[in-house]
Amino acid sequence: QVHLQESGPGLVQPWETLSLTCTVSSGSVNDRNYHWGWIRQPPGKGLEWIGSAYYIGSTFYNPSLKSRVTISVDKSKNQFSLKLTSMTAADTAVYYCARHIHRMAAAQEWFDPWGQGTLVNVPS
Amino acid sequence: QSVLTQPPSASGTPGQRVSISCSGSSSNVGSNTVSWYRQLPGAAPKLVIYFNDQRLSGVPDRLSGSRSGTSAFLAISGLQAEDEADYYCAAWDDGLNGVVFGGGTKLTVL
Repeated sequence: QVHLQESGPGLVQPWETLSLTCTVSSGSVNDRNYHWGWIRQPPGKGLEWIGSAYYIGSTFYNPSLKSRVTISVDKSKNQFSLKLTSMTAADTAVYYCARHIHRMAAAQEWFDPWGQGTLVNVPS
Repeated sequence: QSVLTQPPSASGTPGQRVSISCSGSSSNVGSNTVSWYRQLPGAAPKLVIYFNDQRLSGVPDRLSGSRSGTSAFLAISGLQAEDEADYYCAAWDDGLNGVVFGGGTKLTVL
């Protein structure tokens, strides 16, 4: 069963860049059936999709974050990563990585499974 | 303000049936499939329903999903204490060219 685990700093200073990694086990980021996505959840609030990437390097992002986001896939390490620039207190959230089933032609769109999440705090 | 609208709360007593709505538009729920996620306190969300009405393996058949027009629904029958959680809907949005989530519904079992 595929397992995802996020890693990265718990504290990021204002205007710095957040870098998070998601390690995939019992599965491959090379699997052409899946995309790999990031979702975040501010404390006490709802879920927000950040973006997703495919093993060949194609990506698509939430328009509201697109100017600050880069998601990439590292096939050699079986990982994918998130970079979010110019962090502010509004970016404080639990960041989740997830396997993204995204097949428009088949109308298939869901996230499963999810990592446990990692809390990133940006002091104000 | 979420693109998909869910009631912030819902409640029921053990054994009752509750329904949670997810209201969208022709660019998301009306034209693309909906998925539902359950989030227990302090835990990560987990997929329970995909493709509008398909239960993930292991999800009890007390949970069911449906879609009508630009709204989707998650129904839970035979309510149990373990169903107390936050529930989120999600769908692709053709206008935004991305995934949108509902604001979430906190289900309380009285």
